[in-house]
Amino acid sequence: EVQLVESGGGLVQPGRSLRLSCAASGFTFDDYAMYWVRQAPGKGLEWVSGISWNSNNIRYADSVKGRFTISRDNAKNSLYLQMNSLRTEDTAFYYCAKDGWELTLKFYFDYWGRGTLVTVSS
Amino acid sequence: EIVLTQSPGTLSLSPGERATLSCRASQSVTSSYLAWYQQKPGQAPRLLISSASSRATGIPDRFSGSGSGTDFTLTISRLEPEDFALYYCQQYGSSPPTFGQGTKLEIK
Repeated sequence: EVQLVESGGGLVQPGRSLRLSCAASGFTFDDYAMYWVRQAPGKGLEWVSGISWNSNNIRYADSVKGRFTISRDNAKNSLYLQMNSLRTEDTAFYYCAKDGWELTLKFYFDYWGRGTLVTVSS
Repeated sequence: EIVLTQSPGTLSLSPGERATLSCRASQSVTSSYLAWYQQKPGQAPRLLISSASSRATGIPDRFSGSGSGTDFTLTISRLEPEDFALYYCQQYGSSPPTFGQGTKLEIK
């Protein structure tokens, strides 16, 4: 059974940093691209970032480019999101998601974690 | 970027009825790379359909997707009580991937 478990969310002041983690199990982690997708409370879904199986191809939404860094550790079956210079508009549930296709960045998401809430507020 | 517009915003139906949800793209979606997700309160989204019409693993056959180009449809043939939820479409044929604003399917 595929499981994705996010952690690291919390309350942080504007301008500060936070690092999210996602622990994956139930599939061959290093065969798949992985993503972060966020959802502001009561709002719709927004793709944030994606990383290929071998970390050679990384993409960001314009709204986070230059502030967020995605990474992965295939030996630990883990995905990360380093979030710097946080803004109030970054407040959202952050979901870790798995690509639906093997060995490529296809940008659709066949399994999701339950999410972790990041609140940016003074 | 491609803007997806879902309609209606809210759909009120009864169990056993047929639901038709629409997703319209501002530009043609490459290779019909269009997905549908279901989200219930307090839960993560769940993939229903990919490539416009391919059901995901474990999804009942009362869910079907169709369409191409700029117009796509999710149909639920006979609504079950557990189908009342939020539904999002998403295109992944062009970068960045984008989502529609959602259709809320509520019990009439």
